[in-house]
Amino acid sequence: GAVVSQHPSWVICKSGTSVKIECRSLDFQATTMFWYRQFPKQSLMLMATSNEGSKATYEQGVEKDKFLINHASLTLSTLTVTSAHPEDSSFYICSARYGNLAYEQYFGPGTRLTVT
Amino acid sequence: DAKTTQPTSMDCAEGRAANLPCNHSTISGNEYVYWYRQIHSQGPQYIIHGLKNNETNEMASLIITEDRKSSTLILPHATLRDTAVYYCIATNNAGGTSYGKLTFGQGTILTVHP
Repeated sequence: GAVVSQHPSWVICKSGTSVKIECRSLDFQATTMFWYRQFPKQSLMLMATSNEGSKATYEQGVEKDKFLINHASLTLSTLTVTSAHPEDSSFYICSARYGNLAYEQYFGPGTRLTVT
Repeated sequence: DAKTTQPTSMDCAEGRAANLPCNHSTISGNEYVYWYRQIHSQGPQYIIHGLKNNETNEMASLIITEDRKSSTLILPHATLRDTAVYYCIATNNAGGTSYGKLTFGQGTILTVHP
């Protein structure tokens, strides 16, 4: 089946620094990519939807200046957490959709971010 | 998206069928029922989806009641590797780049024991 990768799989950064997470669709072109955040023992929360070549659409309550999303190609989207703080520590998961229907998407393995 | 309600946790013996219920009493006519699962510290995995007919694939079966207000995911022969959080989601399957977003609830923690 189709594969979505994320890099890095885990990262530790110091408070105040920025960290970039990559999401790649390895064998298909993704018209849309989604970014989720998941805190321990909680469900996934959708942060934003990004379409190739256009600005991301952020969910209510998600700071677009803090979570920068770039979807420059049909196989790559990046999420940059700027000026990270300990409360940004979380599991970040992307999904890549190859069609327009809800099931036509695959999830990445996730990136564990720890801010110290 | 219609709200879904699932039990917080369930247990199942290895080799037995696991039946996971989901209530979606406010589901609208154009909303599909999707099931995903998430094994610890991994991304979600698609299992199955349906509109009103029962569906079966290599992973599971989906039984949707005639009034569509509830459904049951059936794992016919559960294994230890099926231990995961199972999410039932109701969402519009219409086309368009902004449709078909998945809103995850709390899900059911299924524990399969030997």
